Amino acid sequence: GAGVSQSPSNKVTEKGKDVELRCDPISGHTALYWYRQSLGQGLEFLIYFQGNSAPDKSGLPSDRFSAERTGGSVSTLTIQRTQQEDSAVYLCASSFAQGTNEKLFFGSGTQLSVL
Amino acid sequence: AQSVSQHNHHVILSEAASLELGCNYSYGGTVNLFWYVQYPGQHLQLLLKYFSGDPLVKGIKGFEAEFIKSKFSFNLRKPSVQWSDTAEYFCAAYSGNTGKLIFGQGTTLQVKP
Repeated sequence: GAGVSQSPSNKVTEKGKDVELRCDPISGHTALYWYRQSLGQGLEFLIYFQGNSAPDKSGLPSDRFSAERTGGSVSTLTIQRTQQEDSAVYLCASSFAQGTNEKLFFGSGTQLSVL
Repeated sequence: AQSVSQHNHHVILSEAASLELGCNYSYGGTVNLFWYVQYPGQHLQLLLKYFSGDPLVKGIKGFEAEFIKSKFSFNLRKPSVQWSDTAEYFCAAYSGNTGKLIFGQGTTLQVKP
């Protein structure tokens, strides 16, 4: 597609439920990043993929969070047993290559609200 | 641990005032530095970036930033702000050693007409 696409754009869920957030990067982009934007917290790095592998998962806040990427394209971020503190905007970004000279393109994010 | 720190969380200026937003990073070795901007209701977009060469980099919309290696700083400047510059500004640093792109906490800029 023309840009990074994230779905859903808004998700309201009950505490304890699982949620799955999806990111469709720009075609051909090998690097994919997940960030979380919370009020007063700025942008928090969660995980990045180079192709289908995730060399660094240290940003994931707890073992309730997991992410995968298949076919070097679509990525899903799964949050199990959601908690109220998981409420935030989850941003996905992609670039043609990891870091260095390549610009990141961001999606519009998924606003997650845990009641 | 690598980190990016932005000094100002909320800045309020009148139109035509000069702007400087502070950014410091804590990495050793080579880093690539970025400023991103998020206008109300819009995606994050790249304002400018520094990889090497001239430490004074110019970006879109009249913004510039200066990389000062000895101070681990990459401050964003604009000589005369406009109401349309109202947005949130994020400094970010990429380290080739870790492969991570880390963002600062962000600075909300409000420009009064």
